[in-house]
Amino acid sequence: EPEVTQTPSHQVTQMGQEVILRCVPISNHLYFYWYRQILGQKVEFLVSFYNNEISEKSEIFDDQFSVERPDGSNFTLKIRSTKLEDSAMYFCASSSRGADPLYFGPGTRLTVL
Amino acid sequence: QKEVEQDPGPLSVPEGAIVSLNCTYSNSAFQYFMWYRQYSRKGPELLMYTYSSGNKEDGRFTAQVDKSSKYISLFIRDSQPSDSATYLCATSGGGADGLTFGKGTHLIIQP
Repeated sequence: EPEVTQTPSHQVTQMGQEVILRCVPISNHLYFYWYRQILGQKVEFLVSFYNNEISEKSEIFDDQFSVERPDGSNFTLKIRSTKLEDSAMYFCASSSRGADPLYFGPGTRLTVL
Repeated sequence: QKEVEQDPGPLSVPEGAIVSLNCTYSNSAFQYFMWYRQYSRKGPELLMYTYSSGNKEDGRFTAQVDKSSKYISLFIRDSQPSDSATYLCATSGGGADGLTFGKGTHLIIQP
């Protein structure tokens, strides 16, 4: 069964460093998303991406964040200058159409020291 | 206001019991309703997906949506220890809208 994959599973970085989190969505899906979950808190929407551009973004998704689909299979989230409060699980998700259910990847645990 | 409320639990029931999990939401524009299961430090796994009001059944799982009272439920019949997890409800208005999640209910099925 097709699934969303994410790498790395765990990323440790120093405050102020840039990180890139990578995702491979399900191959025939057209909508891509990033969510994050701070330990013990809700899963929060960051951004949706369709047709090579951002469709929606939340207040969390400020100028330090960016997304890219560099080729036909990968979808990346870049955090330019990490802060301690960026420590969280980051989940990639995809759906075939905007109203269809989202399928999530296993997540990347980001730890900012 | 985009909010989904869910009792975080924990909810502990004996094996074989019927489990009822619930959420309320405030935004009447929400039309799509999902239930996800999440094991510790793993990604949310889709269990049920419904559009608008009504019931949907899939094996031991039944999802109910009552849009008039903005209330969504998930029932699990013949609960098993492997059902122990956190259950997340999520809603959206459709399109490329992000999902709005509840905080999740931590369910424990006692053998």
